[in-house]
Amino acid sequence: SQELEQSPQSLIVQEGKNLTINCTSSKTLYGLYWYKQKYGEGLIFLMMLQKGGEEKSHEKITAKLDEKKQQSSLHITASQPSHAGIYLCGADIEPSSASKIIFGSGTRLSIRP
Amino acid sequence: DAEITQSPRHKITETGRQVTLACHQTWNHNNMFWYRQDLGHGLRLIHYSYGVQDTNKGEVSDGYSVSRSNTEDLPLTLESAASSQTSVYFCASSESAGGAGPGNEQFFGPGTRLTVL
Repeated sequence: SQELEQSPQSLIVQEGKNLTINCTSSKTLYGLYWYKQKYGEGLIFLMMLQKGGEEKSHEKITAKLDEKKQQSSLHITASQPSHAGIYLCGADIEPSSASKIIFGSGTRLSIRP
Repeated sequence: DAEITQSPRHKITETGRQVTLACHQTWNHNNMFWYRQDLGHGLRLIHYSYGVQDTNKGEVSDGYSVSRSNTEDLPLTLESAASSQTSVYFCASSESAGGAGPGNEQFFGPGTRLTVL
């Protein structure tokens, strides 16, 4: 969705390095979701952020929500081969519309041994 | 454990044929969704349902239909398959009864890869 932009589109990092993926909305965010997808598989829900300044962690993956910038960042510390995959952000941009989520186009992450 | 399944996982069909993709969830979720995923377009919403007998069109609904006769299933039908419908199709479900927030996160099936020749 053009309403939700992810950057970068792809990323190759050395194993053990840190990395950040960004997700920016052109509309007010009422909820922000991060998913991971491995090739040929479905999307795995990682975490949801709703309040400005909120930060959550899932293993070595941390996500933050900047309400003012309408942006979320996903940070991976000490990357491992198991982190490779496509990361997608999804957003609630209509507060009264139950359950509809728009998705970014994804960031393809490769980990170099 | 509760889950969401899709069948078939892979399908090859010919232009003009009717195709039905199955989606079954055991979460007892009210809401179910169908998306297609294509390179350069990300995930696009085809149809969705907020409960039995309820169906709604998404942003790319032309050529597709759904029906919801029970809570667990939302089959997606391609009335007359076209090559432009070659894609990976994902079904998802969520619990939320309304509004953004906890419970609105969607859980996805493994996908169906459809090729229309």
